[in-house]
Amino acid sequence: AQSVTQLDSQVPVFEEAPVELRCNYSSSVSVYLFWYVQYPNQGLQLLLKYLSGSTLVESINGFEAEFNKSQTSFHLRKPSVHISDTAEYFCAVSGIYNQGGKLIFGQGTELSVKP
Amino acid sequence: ETGVTQSPTHLIKTRGQQVTLRCSSQSGHNTVSWYQQALGQGPQFIFQYYREEENGRGNFPPRFSGLQFPNYSSELNVNALELDDSALYLCASSSEGGAHSYNEQFFGPGTRLTVL
Repeated sequence: AQSVTQLDSQVPVFEEAPVELRCNYSSSVSVYLFWYVQYPNQGLQLLLKYLSGSTLVESINGFEAEFNKSQTSFHLRKPSVHISDTAEYFCAVSGIYNQGGKLIFGQGTELSVKP
Repeated sequence: ETGVTQSPTHLIKTRGQQVTLRCSSQSGHNTVSWYQQALGQGPQFIFQYYREEENGRGNFPPRFSGLQFPNYSSELNVNALELDDSALYLCASSSEGGAHSYNEQFFGPGTRLTVL
C-alpha cells in the first residue's frame, strides 16, 4: 500500500519569489510519482511525472521536482512564481505493479501568489 | 480530439436517494477510473473499469457501483446517499489497463454532488 503526505496545506508567496511544495510518500514497492494542479472549478491537470531515469523532472511552465528515494520525497519547486500559478497542487503516487495505475493522492497544497 | 467529459456538472440530492453520474472517455481510451474528492481533501480512488470489467476497487462500500459500456463511457451509481457523499466526483480515462505499465490518466472537470 502507498500513502502520500503533503507537508503544507497552504503556501502564500509573493509574485516572482521562489516556492517549494513538499511531498513525502510511503510505499513498500517501487512507485511512479506525479504532481497535479487543480484550478478553481476544474479537474486535475498533470504538471509533471517521474517514471524512471533522471530524478529531476521539469514541466513546460517552469516547475521542477526531484525524486529522492532515500528520503522518499518528491518536492515541487519553481524559482519565480506568477499570479497565474495560484491553484491547488496535489502530489500522487502509483505503485508500478498495481492495478492499472490507481493514483493515491495527498491532501493538497493551496498555493496563493500575491502581487 | 475530445477530452474527458462528465455530466451533470452539478447535482443536488437528498439523503437516501440514488444518483447516476456519467463519464465519456477520451477518444482511444479503454480504461476509466473514478475518484471522490471531498472538500479540502485529495481525490480518493473509488474503482476502475477496463474493457467493461471492474479492474480494482478502493475502500468504498458496495452502494458505490459502476458500469462501463462498449464505447468505453462509464457510469458511477451511488445508492442510499449519505451526507458524507457530498463531494466532487472525478472521472479519468487512460489508454490501457493492467499492471506493469503506466498510462497517463486524463481527468474530466468533475460532477459536484451535494447531498442534503
